Amino acid sequence: QQQVKQSPQSLIVQKGGIPIINCAYENTAFDYFPWYQQFPGKGPALLIAIRPDVSEKKEGRFTISFNKSAKQFSLHIMDSQPGDSATYFCAASGAGGTSYGKLTFGQGTILTVHP
Amino acid sequence: DTAVSQTPKYLVTQMGNDKSIKCEQNLGHDTMYWYKQDSKKFLKIMFSYNNKELIINETVPNRFSPKSPDKAHLNLHINSLELGDSAVYFCASSLNGGLTGELFFGEGSRLTVL
Repeated sequence: QQQVKQSPQSLIVQKGGIPIINCAYENTAFDYFPWYQQFPGKGPALLIAIRPDVSEKKEGRFTISFNKSAKQFSLHIMDSQPGDSATYFCAASGAGGTSYGKLTFGQGTILTVHP
Repeated sequence: DTAVSQTPKYLVTQMGNDKSIKCEQNLGHDTMYWYKQDSKKFLKIMFSYNNKELIINETVPNRFSPKSPDKAHLNLHINSLELGDSAVYFCASSLNGGLTGELFFGEGSRLTVL
């Protein structure tokens, strides 16, 4: 059962464009929503994260928008650069109990930024 | 200094063999994990250990056996390898059982079963 659905599967933008990646979740017990960035041959690395009591969080060129009622969240990359070309994963996890670090990942989005 | 290191980076082996992947973290974290990334890049948790105690065992076949000799190490042994075990296996670690939210991943171990 896929609890976090991510779209699109792939995305191509020109340098300076604003790619947007969307995710939707089902489990209302999730209370932490990180985005990970993965370059070829490397492990995923945390990019930015948000908790559901906040509707938007910005770190540098990366912004998460969160809609708790719709159970959706999205990543926007402002002024995208060729170096941003990577696979992006949204994820969700719950708090406490046996949920320690149990991230449920979306399917991933391969982003290509052309110069 | 590598924060989470895995060895080997590549493993090519025949069906039916047994193999191990080792992981070490030098971040002082108390929780370690194994995640599996399949050919479609889908990431799924397999196990987690908190202070050497198994916390999560995510319906993984018994052929997979994790072992945590201490908080800084988490190894994965796989018996009787099958074709479907081919994947990239990522070790990760976190502080405070992951409640801080950030997992640090290693660079992965690519297992190919022929």
